[in-house]
Amino acid sequence: KAGVTQTPRYLIKTRGQQVTLSCSPISGHRSVSWYQQTPGQGLQFLFEYFSETQRNKGNFPGRFSGRQFSNSRSEMNVSTLELGDSALYLCASSLAQVAGELFFGEGSRLTVL
Amino acid sequence: QQQVKQSPQSLIVQKGGISIINCAYENTAFDYFPWYQQFPGKGPALLIAIRPDVSEKKEGRFTISFNKSAKQFSLHIMDSQPGDSATYFCAASSNNYGQNFVFGPGTRLSVLP
Repeated sequence: KAGVTQTPRYLIKTRGQQVTLSCSPISGHRSVSWYQQTPGQGLQFLFEYFSETQRNKGNFPGRFSGRQFSNSRSEMNVSTLELGDSALYLCASSLAQVAGELFFGEGSRLTVL
Repeated sequence: QQQVKQSPQSLIVQKGGISIINCAYENTAFDYFPWYQQFPGKGPALLIAIRPDVSEKKEGRFTISFNKSAKQFSLHIMDSQPGDSATYFCAASSNNYGQNFVFGPGTRLSVLP
């Protein structure tokens, strides 16, 4: 069974640009959540989607947005990039609708110059 | 959602020794407590998880001890091996929060051969 796939794995952007990251969950998983991982703040929840609906949202500015498609694939977008947005963005899929095991991808490493 | 505290920040153990990592939470609504293991360049992977209806759960060399009244839980790794060298994260969530997990800051474990 294929795991969670995230693309691109690495990307470099400059301040003010925008970026879109993609996530393909494990087949059959309808919940997709996104986390930001940085050395200073650790793992922080961005948002969760279930059946194309955003179910939860973390404490991030509106520049961070996401969506989920009917095939459960998800994208997240960050607009007007800031230096502090440099991070590893992790996507996780889950089978359960309630709190349960997260299956993480290897992440997309974003560097903002 | 409030934070999850984790200690120690780093841990060095001899091969065959016991590794112990502790976490404490504040939100009494939390009812699912997983531990994740992360190797460099990889996403976190679930190691073991517990719900508050039991005080201990063991899977192979890994044991979670849970103290509901103290709002603390810990991970014990018995017979630690060099292959266990990784970063460990405790986390907490509630069925009400879906896949919105609060993660501890992580513990970097090094097991010396």
